[in-house]
Amino acid sequence: GAVVSQHPSRVICKSGTSVKIECRSLDFQATTMFWYRQFPKQSLMLMATSNEGSKATYEQGVEKDKFLINHASLTLSTLTVTSAHPEDSSFYICSAPGTGGNSYNEQFFGPGTRLTVL
Amino acid sequence: AQSVAQPEDQVNVAEGNPLTVKCTYSVSGNPYLFWYVQYPNRGLQFLLKYITGDNLVKGSYGFEAEFNKSQTSFHLKKPSALVSDSALYFCAVRPQHSGGYQKVTFGTGTKLQVIP
Repeated sequence: GAVVSQHPSRVICKSGTSVKIECRSLDFQATTMFWYRQFPKQSLMLMATSNEGSKATYEQGVEKDKFLINHASLTLSTLTVTSAHPEDSSFYICSAPGTGGNSYNEQFFGPGTRLTVL
Repeated sequence: AQSVAQPEDQVNVAEGNPLTVKCTYSVSGNPYLFWYVQYPNRGLQFLLKYITGDNLVKGSYGFEAEFNKSQTSFHLKKPSALVSDSALYFCAVRPQHSGGYQKVTFGTGTKLQVIP
């Protein structure tokens, strides 16, 4: 099956620093990837849709200058949390939709990145 | 706007008993429906989906779900629960529109606790 990886799995940083999270599709190409944020005991909140070769589409209320997304290749999307603050601490998850055959339509999720801002 | 409701924050069931995790949805037109499972500090894993055809969908780990259009429901079921089924379950919906990938909306999740 399709595999999506994320790196790092866990990061702790000081307030004011920037953190980059990578999302890779390992055995398939993904022209579209999704970035979610999940708070404890809550659902996934879609932050943005990452599009290969073009600008990301951000959901309402998500600061694009705060959460920079780059989708430079068909297998890699990055999310950079700029000038991170404690309220940015969360579990960030990326996903990519399957393409073709039985995998069409469902999403394949990365294992998530736990960000803690001190 | 599309939405998903999972009315139960938590479901407790004894090991070996049947389990049901409820989901209702609202979407414009016909839906694509999904169930995902999440283990602690992990991403979501796909369980099953309804696209078209048979209303009873069978998925991974013995789970199944029944699509009921009149009740706009897609409840997740399993005949005999295992302790290892304990996890957080998410229902999701997206519309069957053409023209590119459509946004998926997730429910708030239901924590399943299987008691030995």
